[in-house]
Amino acid sequence: DTEVTQTPKHLVMGMTNKKSLKCEQHMGHRAMYWYKQKAKKPPELMFVYSYEKLSINESVPSRFSPECPNSSLLNLHLHALQPEDSALYLCASSQDHGRVNEQFFGPGTRLTVL
Amino acid sequence: AQSVTQPDIHITVSEGASLELRCNYSYGATPYLFWYVQSPGQGLQLLLKYFSGDTLVQGIKGFEAEFKRSQSSFNLRKPSVHWSDAAEYFCAVGSGSARQLTFGSGTQLTVLP
Repeated sequence: DTEVTQTPKHLVMGMTNKKSLKCEQHMGHRAMYWYKQKAKKPPELMFVYSYEKLSINESVPSRFSPECPNSSLLNLHLHALQPEDSALYLCASSQDHGRVNEQFFGPGTRLTVL
Repeated sequence: AQSVTQPDIHITVSEGASLELRCNYSYGATPYLFWYVQSPGQGLQLLLKYFSGDTLVQGIKGFEAEFKRSQSSFNLRKPSVHWSDAAEYFCAVGSGSARQLTFGSGTQLTVLP
């Protein structure tokens, strides 16, 4: 299984809502990533988890809260978002042997904040 | 700090024509280089990667890329483009010990029938 799955595919939320994005992989990868991608732009790294521990937070606002319950799952909890947070949110995973490896991406969640 | 430049924002080719997408990187040591493709509203799919060894790398869907250290380039090529190749293409570079990738700004490929 070389697939990264993400749910939901689309999400519309108000600025006062709380929602969560989910990501799952069964490739035995120990590094997992959240990216934010605006239209016509490259992905921007938000968070990196290595062996279920947060290793990189790219100065992301606290209204985004990541969680890695186990080695296969990655969540992104959303609260009090702003309209400018509307974007495609991509999850990725990779092996983690202390050096860069190819990352496998999920299809993304298209988030709209009203 | 590492960086990636994709000089062409948009390229248009006819179906059946050859394709070359340019990528230049800036990195002090030997880079780890990747090409990804993204169809509209989809995630990124890895086309090929270069870590070391043979500088001509073969990938999926008939793509290849050549690493040229002297030119700091990693250009993507395909001898005959298909309509289904229309997409956004991203070049990326990674450093040895970090898990982060630095992406170029992307090249949008349009394929004319």
